[in-house]
Amino acid sequence: GAVVSQHPSWVICKSGTSVKIECRSLDFQATTMFWYRQFPKQSLMLMATSNEGSKATYEQGVEKDKFLINHASLTLSTLTVTSAHPEDSSFYICSARDGGDSQPQHFGDGTRLSIL
Amino acid sequence: GQNIDQPTEMTATEGAIVQINCTYQTSGFNGLFWYQQHAGEAPTFLSYNVLDGLEEKGRFSSFLSRSKGYSYLLLKELQMKDSASYLCAVRDGDYKLSFGAGTTVTVRA
Repeated sequence: GAVVSQHPSWVICKSGTSVKIECRSLDFQATTMFWYRQFPKQSLMLMATSNEGSKATYEQGVEKDKFLINHASLTLSTLTVTSAHPEDSSFYICSARDGGDSQPQHFGDGTRLSIL
Repeated sequence: GQNIDQPTEMTATEGAIVQINCTYQTSGFNGLFWYQQHAGEAPTFLSYNVLDGLEEKGRFSSFLSRSKGYSYLLLKELQMKDSASYLCAVRDGDYKLSFGAGTTVTVRA
């Protein structure tokens, strides 16, 4: 149980392109999902908390206009990197909780984004 | 911000035991997690401690001391497939997860 699916797994695109990443909870409903970014050999950094039916909560230093988050249903959250540039190249990972705050987060397989 | 420290690298022999330490300083505490992450993949959940003491799960055990801000992950009977990065993550008073930089464990034959 507690499977989180993330799509696509790998994206290579030109600078200036907008890229959408989907995160789905397959066998449970998630009112809260999380988006992380991980640069090579560094730890996961929380970008934002996605709340179903309301606006996402962004961490300090993360531009909300650049990283658009939509959580329209209990099983789907999307992250759109708008006008992506080479410095946005990173490993983006989503996670979701199956239940309340005390439950562990389960991670998607991640999306490797490369901007040329 | 939160401060989570763990060693960068550890090497051990197949069949041996390795202990990965993690110390933390956070605003509030709502549990400590250990995740395993293979290169290029997402983290997978290993263990969770919220009370002091040892949690055992097969070959993996995790210990927590809240008063000392300290945890360790113990890997027994190491196998080659255990070569990975091990992430210590602490959930703070706002239920946000903060991750350590990870400990890369290399298992040698």
